[in-house]
Amino acid sequence: DAMVIQNPRYQVTQFGKPVTLSCSQTLNHNVMYWYQQKSSQAPKLLFHYYDKDFNNEADTPDNFQSRRPNTSFCFLDIRSPGLGDAAMYLCATSRDKRLAEYNEQFFGPGTRLTVL
Amino acid sequence: QKEVEQNSGPLSVPEGAIASLNCTYSDRVSQSFFWYRQYSGKSPELIMSIYSNGDKEDGRFTAQLNKASQYVSLLIRDSQPSDSATYLCAVNRETGGFKTIFGAGTRLFVKA
Repeated sequence: DAMVIQNPRYQVTQFGKPVTLSCSQTLNHNVMYWYQQKSSQAPKLLFHYYDKDFNNEADTPDNFQSRRPNTSFCFLDIRSPGLGDAAMYLCATSRDKRLAEYNEQFFGPGTRLTVL
Repeated sequence: QKEVEQNSGPLSVPEGAIASLNCTYSDRVSQSFFWYRQYSGKSPELIMSIYSNGDKEDGRFTAQLNKASQYVSLLIRDSQPSDSATYLCAVNRETGGFKTIFGAGTRLFVKA
């Protein structure tokens, strides 16, 4: 089955220790998104890739970086995690973003990040 | 004013009833609208997408869009306890700068 996979499902890190979260997709979608979701809050878009074109949200802290080495994989790097970065990190994909009918987003299971 | 607003709930309905969930948005040039279901501790799951004014039905779910009023709703007929979840409204704009915004969701409880 075509799907969006995230690893690890749970990640524990120490304050200030860099961490990398990964996302892969078998849908062959052009767009990959990273969201941060805290308890009882809306998913907040951090950035997205349209093919190799990186799009950063204006309010995404510099502490968050992303890489997309190929169509299938995308990584979220948190350079120096703080206690406020503890959240669920969601990866999503869509076929396109320029055409309304092609921008349905499909989410992976998420990575729950704990910062000690 | 939040860009996408939803009543946080909880909305409680008896089994078999119709659940009505509402969402308003502020960006008039928004073009596509989505409803996601999110169980506690899980990721969002797409339920419905709607792009033009009017109603769109899929099984027990009906999405309604009114662009003039900047309003989108989701009706769940014959509600089941398994429908108990948080329902997220999402709004996209494709032209004039891509934008995708989620609401904080409405918690729905369906009582058996």
